[in-house]
Amino acid sequence: SQQGEEDPQALSIQEGENATMNCSYKTSINNLQWYRQNSGRGLVHLILIRSNEREKHSGRLRVTLDTSKKSSSLLITASRAADTASYFCATEPNNNDMRFGAGTRLTVKP
Amino acid sequence: GAVVSQHPSWVICKSGTSVKIECRSLDFQATTMFWYRQFPKQSLMLMATSNEGSKATYEQGVEKDKFLINHASLTLSTLTVTSAHPEDSSFYICSARVSQYGKLFFGSGTQLSVL
Repeated sequence: SQQGEEDPQALSIQEGENATMNCSYKTSINNLQWYRQNSGRGLVHLILIRSNEREKHSGRLRVTLDTSKKSSSLLITASRAADTASYFCATEPNNNDMRFGAGTRLTVKP
Repeated sequence: GAVVSQHPSWVICKSGTSVKIECRSLDFQATTMFWYRQFPKQSLMLMATSNEGSKATYEQGVEKDKFLINHASLTLSTLTVTSAHPEDSSFYICSARVSQYGKLFFGSGTQLSVL
């Protein structure tokens, strides 16, 4: 079963705009991870935020974590057409069982 | 970065045949490998967690005899879809990691089409 839900399911923006995706999960976590998937490919790890962290940055990515609300957000700033992909959050609710959210399909129009 | 190689990338087979998918970590030893199944425009569904030298832990609803997982070494795990049927057609993805709670490195996936 999946661990969490993400919203929006789909997001379409213009190049240069910011994209925000949200993820909610159900159980306590050690960390929360975000991945990206291009169509028909494997996933690529983007960023990991630990349960004792509230915010983390990596290049144009900014991730927040609110453990009290069991939610996380991924912000991509100054989006590019190449950012078009599906984005998933992932957690391990039972240890050693990485589970993914439903994902957000991002389309960045040039 | 770490590389996970998954083969084949795609396979077409007749109903009733068995298909083996390999997942190799090329430049690191993977303590754990995960196998996922993904339908078009949907998320990844965890099928099983595989630790080297021990039996795989299957998710509820995943048939052990249908999806055989072997994790014989720290760099190789295989998934065999036995007696495949059209409903087994899907995108199968493996991933591996070095340590518990660490990030996953993914294979490129295998598109299985059963006729």
